[in-house]
Amino acid sequence: KAGVTQTPRYLIKTRGQQVTLSCSPISGHRSVSWYQQTPGQGLQFLFEYFSETQRNKGNFPGRFSGRQFSNSRSEMNVSTLELGDSALYLCASSWGDRGPYEQYFGPGTRLTVT
Amino acid sequence: QKEVEQDPGPLSVPEGAIVSLNCTYSNSAFQYFMWYRQYSRKGPELLMYTYSSGNKEDGRFTAQVDKSSKYISLFIRDSQPSDSATYLCAMTTFGAGGTSYGKLTFGQGTILTVHP
Repeated sequence: KAGVTQTPRYLIKTRGQQVTLSCSPISGHRSVSWYQQTPGQGLQFLFEYFSETQRNKGNFPGRFSGRQFSNSRSEMNVSTLELGDSALYLCASSWGDRGPYEQYFGPGTRLTVT
Repeated sequence: QKEVEQDPGPLSVPEGAIVSLNCTYSNSAFQYFMWYRQYSRKGPELLMYTYSSGNKEDGRFTAQVDKSSKYISLFIRDSQPSDSATYLCAMTTFGAGGTSYGKLTFGQGTILTVHP
């Protein structure tokens, strides 16, 4: 079974620009969660989507947004990029509507903001 | 204070040693506990998950959960150089106590090096 895929793997952007990251979950999984990973803060939850609806959101500014499509693929968008947004962005998929609730992660998109 | 505390190490052990990795947590609503392994510049890989208190074994890995102490552990037997990675504990709530949809709360990770 194919794992979680994320594109692109690497991105370099300039402050003030916006960026869109994509995530394709494991086949059959309907929940996609997004995380930001930095050396200082570790893995922090951004938001979760299930059946095209955002069910949960972490403590991030409104510049961070996402959406999910009918095939469960998800995108996240960061507008007006800041230097502090440089991080590894990870998505994870799970069934979402039944246990077990473990999540499977993709390889991540490494975003560098200059 | 963070909800999940994990000693970042680094931890260095010789090949063949038994490794003990631990996390403590403060949120008594956590019921589902996971351990992930993350190699440099890769995404976290799920190793094991357990529900509530108890032990679970999978090959060289054993996970233990003590909810009364809010303490979880991962033991690695006969450690190998290929086990060198960052180990992350993660936990979440679900069910009657409240379900935090899609949100795992992670520890900071412990950097482990197994030297030949």
